[in-house]
Amino acid sequence: NAGVTQTPKFQVLKTGQSMTLQCAQDMNHNSMYWYRQDPGMGLRLIYYSASEGTTDKGEVPNGYNVSRLNKREFSLRLESAAPSQTSVYFCASSGRDRGRYEQYFGPGTRLTVT
Amino acid sequence: DQQVKQNSPSLSVQEGRISILNCDYTNSMFDYFLWYKKYPAEGPTFLISISSIKDKNEDGRFTVFLNKSAKHLSLHIVPSQPGDSAVYFCAASANTNAGKSTFGDGTTLTVKP
Repeated sequence: NAGVTQTPKFQVLKTGQSMTLQCAQDMNHNSMYWYRQDPGMGLRLIYYSASEGTTDKGEVPNGYNVSRLNKREFSLRLESAAPSQTSVYFCASSGRDRGRYEQYFGPGTRLTVT
Repeated sequence: DQQVKQNSPSLSVQEGRISILNCDYTNSMFDYFLWYKKYPAEGPTFLISISSIKDKNEDGRFTVFLNKSAKHLSLHIVPSQPGDSAVYFCAASANTNAGKSTFGDGTTLTVKP
């Protein structure tokens, strides 16, 4: 049971390049999320997916696209990277566990855009 | 306007003493509150939560108190241990949707041996 996994762990992009961050969970959760965390700040929601086949914008969606490929996988794409997207990206899934809602996070992807 | 605020960026306590981390919120629609712990280079891990129908929830050394009228919650860690040193995030959500949470900026707790 790996929980939530993310690839890659680190990435450096030049301005204008594109890339896709991959995320997978093995807890059979319906809901999945992408957050970004900037230095000294909390996590901000980029996009979320309440179930397979649905996606919705979060607080900071501009410059990103997502795909909920199946129940396990939720990817985040940067079509044209900008320095303002330098951040640590966390994927998460959530579900009821022991009678309460819990959210499980991946280890993060540290992205630098030069 | 930040809806979830952790006004203390850092807190230092002695091992064995109580750690109290505070969190304030402004959105009265929030009805579910969570605390996460985060070590460097790792994702946040869930610590404890509380629903707005309760004013206290306890799990081992961790207790969360909720004061709805003041829109304030606090996390108590007793006794504090050096392994508790981490960044603690308060998060709040509406409709018990734990995933669509709004996070505070975090408080860095240091527990000194």
